[in-house]
Amino acid sequence: NAGVTQTPKFQVLKTGQSMTLQCAQDMNHEYMSWYRQDPGMGLRLIHYSVGAGITDQGEVPNGYNVSRSTTEDFPLRLLSAAPSQTSVYFCASSYSPGATYNEQFFGPGTRLTVL
Amino acid sequence: SQQGEEDPQALSIQEGENATMNCSYKTSINNLQWYRQNSGRGLVHLILIRSNEREKHSGRLRVTLDTSKKSSSLLITASRAADTASYFCATDRAGTASKLTFGTGTRLQVTL
Repeated sequence: NAGVTQTPKFQVLKTGQSMTLQCAQDMNHEYMSWYRQDPGMGLRLIHYSVGAGITDQGEVPNGYNVSRSTTEDFPLRLLSAAPSQTSVYFCASSYSPGATYNEQFFGPGTRLTVL
Repeated sequence: SQQGEEDPQALSIQEGENATMNCSYKTSINNLQWYRQNSGRGLVHLILIRSNEREKHSGRLRVTLDTSKKSSSLLITASRAADTASYFCATDRAGTASKLTFGTGTRLQVTL
């Protein structure tokens, strides 16, 4: 199994540009989530999904959209990039809809810089 | 806002010594998890302790949970250079089973 994969690994955007961060998992996990990690801030939950067709907001959802059309894929869209969105983005998945009852498997991250 | 706060922020020890990291949180929880992050990598799950458990072991790891003090500790015994990483606790607020909140982490440096 490849586990959780993320593309791209690095990305530089200009303010106002849009882009999609890709996340895929091949473990048939129901739960998927997106986090951002900033220095000294730990990880903060952006959006999550408990199954195909179901998404919900996390702690810092503004400026981001998600969709979950398949069990495997959970893309994160930046609508109009801002310098405040410069961060490292992690996708994670776990077996069941309850993230807190299961370990989460993390992807390798996408390092995004917005100029 | 951060639910979990780790202490210390950074810890430097020599190989063979024990490392203890602490996590404090603010609200009632269902479970508490610990994760490790090597530099430039994603997080890796270490151990989960449920709110009705007080202590749990996994290899060289020992986790304790004191719900009355809203705190947890992670002990790594006989540390190795390969244990050098950042360690995060992750908690959930009771009633929010789909959301984990991560602390700010402890950076552990193990030197030879």
